[in-house]
Amino acid sequence: DAKTTQPNSMESNEEEPVHLPCNHSTISGTDYIHWYRQLPSQGPEYVIHGLTSNVNNRMASLAIAEDRKSSTLILHRATLRDAAVYYCILRDVRRGNEKLTFGTGTRLTIIP
Amino acid sequence: GAVVSQHPSRVICKSGTSVKIECRSLDFQATTMFWYRQFPKQSLMLMATSNEGSKATYEQGVEKDKFLINHASLTLSTLTVTSAHPEDSSFYICSAQGLAGIRQFFGPGTRLTVL
Repeated sequence: DAKTTQPNSMESNEEEPVHLPCNHSTISGTDYIHWYRQLPSQGPEYVIHGLTSNVNNRMASLAIAEDRKSSTLILHRATLRDAAVYYCILRDVRRGNEKLTFGTGTRLTIIP
Repeated sequence: GAVVSQHPSRVICKSGTSVKIECRSLDFQATTMFWYRQFPKQSLMLMATSNEGSKATYEQGVEKDKFLINHASLTLSTLTVTSAHPEDSSFYICSAQGLAGIRQFFGPGTRLTVL
């Protein structure tokens, strides 16, 4: 299975943009890039996903490199509620209800 | 978005007893449900995948006779921890996915403490 690499932790000031990187150099052509986040003592929640093109939704933006070997989750204006562990996960689009394999993720701390 | 609930949210039990955790998809039909376990300061580890009406598929190292999973309907899956011991104390999280879904919807988790 293609794996992802993320920094263990990052800090950002409140109300500033946050760029969370993810490397996935062994990504295959049928792998979607998914981002989930887990707030303290809660189950994970879906953030965004993409295949090739950049994606935007109400929570975040996903910028995907042209060679697809890396991607960046962008929180445009971080709030204290965005403090969480962010997971970048690859999932093969051909495999229907495939399991998610969680790595260690990036622990994001927001500084007031 | 879709909602997944878990019950109970927290349970404390004595060693040797069995504990049942319920996972419900409240507003969609979950053809597949997943059970994860998370120890403190660690990531989520998948325990098993269950499809409605069929036997669960367990990950390597997870004892199927200790962690009983039932997915009898499209909205309910249960995980029973049999003869629980202190080392089973953990945060158990379920997730659900519909037939054509791309994303998984997670429950809020159940914190199990075995004394």
